[in-house]
Amino acid sequence: AAGVIQSPRHLIKEKRETATLKCYPIPRHDTVYWYQQGPGQDPQFLISFYEKMQSDKGSIPDRFSAQQFSDYHSELNMSSLELGDSALYFCASSYTGQGRSPLHFGNGTRLTVT
Amino acid sequence: AQKITQTQPGMFVQEKEAVTLDCTYDTSDQSYGLFWYKQPSSGEMIFLIYQGSYDEQNATEGRYSLNFQKARKSTNLVISASQLGDSAMYFCAMREGSGGYQKVTFGTGTKLQVIP
Repeated sequence: AAGVIQSPRHLIKEKRETATLKCYPIPRHDTVYWYQQGPGQDPQFLISFYEKMQSDKGSIPDRFSAQQFSDYHSELNMSSLELGDSALYFCASSYTGQGRSPLHFGNGTRLTVT
Repeated sequence: AQKITQTQPGMFVQEKEAVTLDCTYDTSDQSYGLFWYKQPSSGEMIFLIYQGSYDEQNATEGRYSLNFQKARKSTNLVISASQLGDSAMYFCAMREGSGGYQKVTFGTGTKLQVIP
């Protein structure tokens, strides 16, 4: 079965650079979530989209932005990167039409800022 | 206040024994969902089991089962016949809201180590 696809798997950037993370949700899933997981931490919610519209916003820095495109893929744009942005970034998707649908996670993008 | 509380930062269990991982939650919603995820050292988040707030029976998926006590707002994960491959971080999560405005919050996780 198709899963959530994230790219790239690993990304190394320097301070003050920009990064773009991509997410391709499971087909027919209508909601996409972005999470940030620091070392030894639980996943922290950043932002979500429902049917390509932003539906909720969590602890996402102003330097970050995200959008969902017409083909339902989503991108997380990160600018002026800081050392503290080094983390595992997950994208997850779900289908809200089925109440029992869990969040299906991609394998994550490991961002290292040097 | 914490939405999801996992009070056990780390647990050890002997191979083939059962283990219970605790999770309590806080919500004022009547309709919500509770999930457990496994995160091995490789990093991926693997969905294990789901319990809906209106489910009358405890959820079961293979060796995983939930001890859902709604009045106490707890949903403990029971892993039976532990295997070495069960060593991982385990996260409890809760989904609130409805339709396209659902929020999912994670607990701080429990690191389970299975001892041969």
